[in-house]
Formats: sequence, structure tokens, C-alpha cells
Amino acid sequence: KQEVTQIPAALSVPEGENLVLNCSFTDSAIYNLQWFRQDPGKGLTSLLLIQSSQREQTSGRLNASLDKSSGRSTLYIAASQPGDSATYLCAVRFANAGKSTFGDGTTLTVKP
Amino acid sequence: KAGVTQTPRYLIKTRGQQVTLSCSPISGHRSVSWYQQTPGQGLQFLFEYFSETQRNKGNFPGRFSGRQFSNSRSEMNVSTLELGDSALYLCASSLRISQEYYNEQFFGPGTRLTVL
Repeated sequence: KQEVTQIPAALSVPEGENLVLNCSFTDSAIYNLQWFRQDPGKGLTSLLLIQSSQREQTSGRLNASLDKSSGRSTLYIAASQPGDSATYLCAVRFANAGKSTFGDGTTLTVKP
Repeated sequence: KAGVTQTPRYLIKTRGQQVTLSCSPISGHRSVSWYQQTPGQGLQFLFEYFSETQRNKGNFPGRFSGRQFSNSRSEMNVSTLELGDSALYLCASSLRISQEYYNEQFFGPGTRLTVL
């Protein structure tokens, strides 16, 4: 079964800390992996998309890596800010699945 | 460039009624996917439409249906509503290049459906 797991479910850090969010998936045959953030009651905001042929993507203070062989992706957030507080979701488009499969997310709280 | 829009934003219905939700994708995007989000089940895929055809379908009962128009706008319909259908319904659009190559998915703000 193709599954996506995000651990931990919740994370609290002080402002300014660098942090890593994890995403694991059960099948290395993927088309792409996308990271999103979701604020309470809102839709999803796309952060980074990594295609199957890529190893990492960067946008501002965010860096996402992809290791298909181990079934893992990480989202690195540098110099965290209170405005980064949100739920972070990863979505994997498995080959031949015809859809994206989402993890349950990691809820991040950055304390001032 | 306008983002993905969804209407209405909020809906309150009673059991047994039916509901239609609308999604307008980003201009130029022909792929529209629908998801249901609940606290217990997380984000679950409903279906994807591309060029007016349903390409993929999730594991939902036949009460959930959808369609896509020639301008890529999409609607989903839920008939005979049940209490468990209360959820945030999200649609996403993307520039689907091929079966293997999808560009970024962009999500709308969602429609919050409450079934009483």
C-alpha cells in the first residue's frame, strides 16, 4: 500500500531556531513530491515541488530534499519565525497511482 | 494571475439534501482535482478531471460525482448528504503535462460544508 507518514505530528520551537520536518513514503516509484503549508481553516499553500529526477529545491529560507531510494524527504526551515507557525503537509504523487497521497502533517509552533 | 477560486466558501445543509460545489482553476490549467479534508481522515482524494474527462477516482461512494466544463471549471456534487460528509472540500489545479509529469498543484481556499 502506498502511504505517506510525517513524524512528529507536532513540533514547538523557539524563534530563530533552524528545524527539519520529515516525510516518509513507502514506494520509491514516484513522479514528484510537494510540500505545503496550511493555516487553520484555510486552503493549502504550495511551498516547494521536487520532481522525481531532482534531489532538492530551495526557496528563500526553505530547502526541501528528496531521497527516493530511502523513501524520505525533509523540509529545512532556517531561522524560524512566529509567522512560520502552521501545519506542514507533504504530498507524494506515486507512479501509476493517478493521485497525490498526503501525509497527516506536522503542526509547527514557533514561539516568540 | 488569479488563483484557484471556490464557491461557495461555506454551506450548511441537512441530511438527505444534495449540494454542488464549484471550482475555477488558474487560467491555463486543465487539471482539476478534488479532495476532502476531515480531522479524522486527513486529506482524501476524490477525483481528478482533465480535458472534461474524469481521469482518476478515489475510494468514495457514488453519491460523490463531478464534472468539468470546456473552460476547465469544475463542479462536484454530493447527493443524499450524510453527517459524515461534513468536511472542508478543496480543489487543486495544475498544469498537467503528461501522465508522468505534473507541475505544481495550487489549492483553492476550500468550501466548508456542514451537514446537520
